[in-house]
Amino acid sequence: EIVLTQSPTTMAASPGEKVTLNCLASSSVSYMNWYQQKSGASPKLWIYGTSNLASGVPNRFSGSGSGTSYSLTISSMEAEDVATYYCLQLSSYPLTFGSGTKLEIK
Amino acid sequence: EVQLVESGGGLVQPGRSLKLSCLASGFTFSNYGMNWIRQAPGKGLEWVASISSSSSYIYYADTVKGRFTISRDNAKNTLYLQMTSLRSEDTALYYCASMDTVAGAYYVMDAWGQGASVTVSS
Repeated sequence: EIVLTQSPTTMAASPGEKVTLNCLASSSVSYMNWYQQKSGASPKLWIYGTSNLASGVPNRFSGSGSGTSYSLTISSMEAEDVATYYCLQLSSYPLTFGSGTKLEIK
Repeated sequence: EVQLVESGGGLVQPGRSLKLSCLASGFTFSNYGMNWIRQAPGKGLEWVASISSSSSYIYYADTVKGRFTISRDNAKNTLYLQMTSLRSEDTALYYCASMDTVAGAYYVMDAWGQGASVTVSS
């Protein structure tokens, strides 16, 4: 089983601040998907194939990485970005999610 | 508009069974793999099971293998999750999600339902 470790677990950023969320895989994966989940809502596909933004995702978001190390970056934090972000690997079964990073605003 | 609507959740005693359904609309259900994902209260997302478009391939998480059965009826555009021998740790919001392929290269769980709540308690 590929274990995904996300860091940090929780973080708070000021409006306009650059934010980087990390996802470390226990074994190499082909690509990473990211999901945004706001409180009380279903998860939404946010980034797929490591670096491709899903439809409607603001271009202040970006994704990068390869092998075992992946990241999601927000170039300039906005209030609407408050959410929990999960990484998901679909390279092999069992499919696994990271434990999530809760992003708050200062 | 793509829609996935889960139903069948509720309160059930430990050791009993429950069957969830997920009704799909707005897309050609029979062309897509489907998944169940759950989220315990206040916790993260956990993949539960996947089924291919024609039911040829089925996968389960170790935590539910032997107790849960994923199935689908393409004529009814419906995905199912039969849950038996339920435990307190199965208490969660259960989401169904479709599996698509983007750019011929990447799998994505792109459409999600609103979830069905399952509580296992005596």
